[in-house]
Order: sequence, then structure tokens, then C-alpha cells
Amino acid sequence: GDSVTQMEGPVTLSEEAFLTINCTYTATGYPSLFWYVQYPGEGLQLLLKATKADDKGSNKGFEATYRKETTSFHLEKGSVQVSDSAVYFCALSDRGGSEKLVFGKGTKLTVNP
Amino acid sequence: DVKVTQSSRYLVKRTGEKVFLECVQDMDHENMFWYRQDPGLGLRLIYFSYDVKMKEKGDIPEGYSVSREKKERFSLILESASTNQTSMYLCASTGADTQYFGPGTRLTVL
Repeated sequence: GDSVTQMEGPVTLSEEAFLTINCTYTATGYPSLFWYVQYPGEGLQLLLKATKADDKGSNKGFEATYRKETTSFHLEKGSVQVSDSAVYFCALSDRGGSEKLVFGKGTKLTVNP
Repeated sequence: DVKVTQSSRYLVKRTGEKVFLECVQDMDHENMFWYRQDPGLGLRLIYFSYDVKMKEKGDIPEGYSVSREKKERFSLILESASTNQTSMYLCASTGADTQYFGPGTRLTVL
């Protein structure tokens, strides 16, 4: 079945450091890919998404590019802030997000001042 | 803004009790989902529903049931709660290619 593998955390960075969180997937067909973020004590929020190969999703300084050849969707940010401390989940869906999602296990990011 | 609300943020129940977790969305979405979130395991799908009175099992339905009598409301039921059902429960609904999540209910079964 479909699956998502993301780098295990926790990840600890200093403010203004560069962030990469790796995500690879296994799926039949052509899934849509998502990054969700969960701030402490809250539910998940959509951070960005991409629906086809070579699409780049971006939001709040975060970016991820849908790479079909490497089945990857790595999350990057050039300069992290303390407020980016959260848990990040990579996910895929076979039908553009309206159907059920398959999630990675999550990566906890802590950014220190 | 889309709003998904869950009836309780924190809940403590005893083993064997029947537990109801309620979820309401205000955007007339057809699809609704229940997940549980556990450390090191991420989110796992329990049940989902495409329409009123329709339900489908997710990856871990054992020990759970659901009810969808109205479009905006999707309930998760633990018929006889057990300690291994202590977890964070997240409800979601989908619209415009996006899943919107509620704040979660942290359930502790003693």
C-alpha cells in the first residue's frame, strides 16, 4: 500500500538556520503531496501542497518540490524562526486531498533563539 | 474560515465505559475523517465518511464505531474503552482539495 517516510527527529536548530526535512513516498498512480504543521496544543494545519510532478508548493517561507523521479517532497526553509517550532507531517493522497491521507510519522522541530 | 470543532479538548474515562467523541464542521463538507495520533506512529485513520449515514473503515477500526446522522456531525464511539485507546483523537473534513483539522481530543482511559 501507499506509504510516506520522513526523517526522524527531533531536529534542533538555531534561529536563522537552514531547514530541510526529508520526505519520500511510495504510491501507485499519481498522488498529491502535502506538508502539514502542528503547533503545540493545536490540530494540524495545511502548510503547502503539490498536485503533480515538478510542482512547487510554498507558504510562509517554506517550500517543497514534487520530484517524481526520486519520489520525494522535501521541506525547506532558508531561515527558521523560533515561531516555526512545531511538528511537521508529510502526507499523500491519491485524489487531490479530498480522500483519505497517508501520513509520515512526523518530525519535531525546535528552533532556539 | 473553515471551522472544525471537537466536543472536548481533554477527556478522562474508565475502562469499560462507552465514550462519544463529537466533531462538527461548518462548511457543508461531504467527507469527514477520524484519526488517532500517537508518539512515533504519526496519524492513523480510524474511520471516514463520504456522506450522511455512510462510513468506511480506515486502517485501525477495531474497537471503534462511528455515526453520521447529519452532514455536519461525525461521531466516534468507543463501545467499551480500554487503556490502549488512550491517545489524541483528531477529526477532519475536506473541501477544495484540503483536509481541515479540529484541535483534537486528548483521551485518557484509566
